[in-house]
Amino acid sequence: KAGVTQTPRYLIKTRGQQVTLSCSPISGHRSVSWYQQTPGQGLQFLFEYFSETQRNKGNFPGRFSGRQFSNSRSEMNVSTLELGDSALYLCASSLEWGNTIYFGEGSWLTVV
Amino acid sequence: AQTVTQSQPEMSVQEAETVTLSCTYDTSENNYYLFWYKQPPSRQMILVIRQEAYKQQNATENRFSVNFQKAAKSFSLKISDSQLGDTAMYFCAFTPTSGTYKYIFGTGTRLKVLA
Repeated sequence: KAGVTQTPRYLIKTRGQQVTLSCSPISGHRSVSWYQQTPGQGLQFLFEYFSETQRNKGNFPGRFSGRQFSNSRSEMNVSTLELGDSALYLCASSLEWGNTIYFGEGSWLTVV
Repeated sequence: AQTVTQSQPEMSVQEAETVTLSCTYDTSENNYYLFWYKQPPSRQMILVIRQEAYKQQNATENRFSVNFQKAAKSFSLKISDSQLGDTAMYFCAFTPTSGTYKYIFGTGTRLKVLA
């Protein structure tokens, strides 16, 4: 069974640009959540989706947005990139909430 | 506010010995799940062990076991017979069953297993 797949794995963007990250969950998993990992802040919750509905959102500015498609694949978008957005962005999926979440390998974003 | 605290930023252990990583959490919820995740240098987060708060019995997975003290809000991870492959960052995490749909992570403990 394929794991959680995140693309792209590595990317470099310039301040002010926008970026879209993609996540394909494990087959059959309908819950997808996103986390930002930085050395200083650890793992911070961004948002969670289930059946195309956002059920919770973390304390991030409106520049961070996401969506989920009918096949459970999810994307997150960051607009007007800032240097502080440089981080590892992790996607995780689960069958339903309360089940264990399984992580992808992450997307490394560097903003220069 | 719900928080998870890992008070040991770094630890080391000799190969084949036993080490315990500490985790405390704060919540007013009665039903929740607790997890330990391992993040090796590859950065892939891997589930180590999971505990359901309503279960008094401590979870075990091979060389990994937890000491879950609900009243004290403590959830420590014991690694027995440490192996070089256990070298990684270890994160304690918590999620309530009440449907907040998010995990709260501690800041992690970097464990190094020495040959």
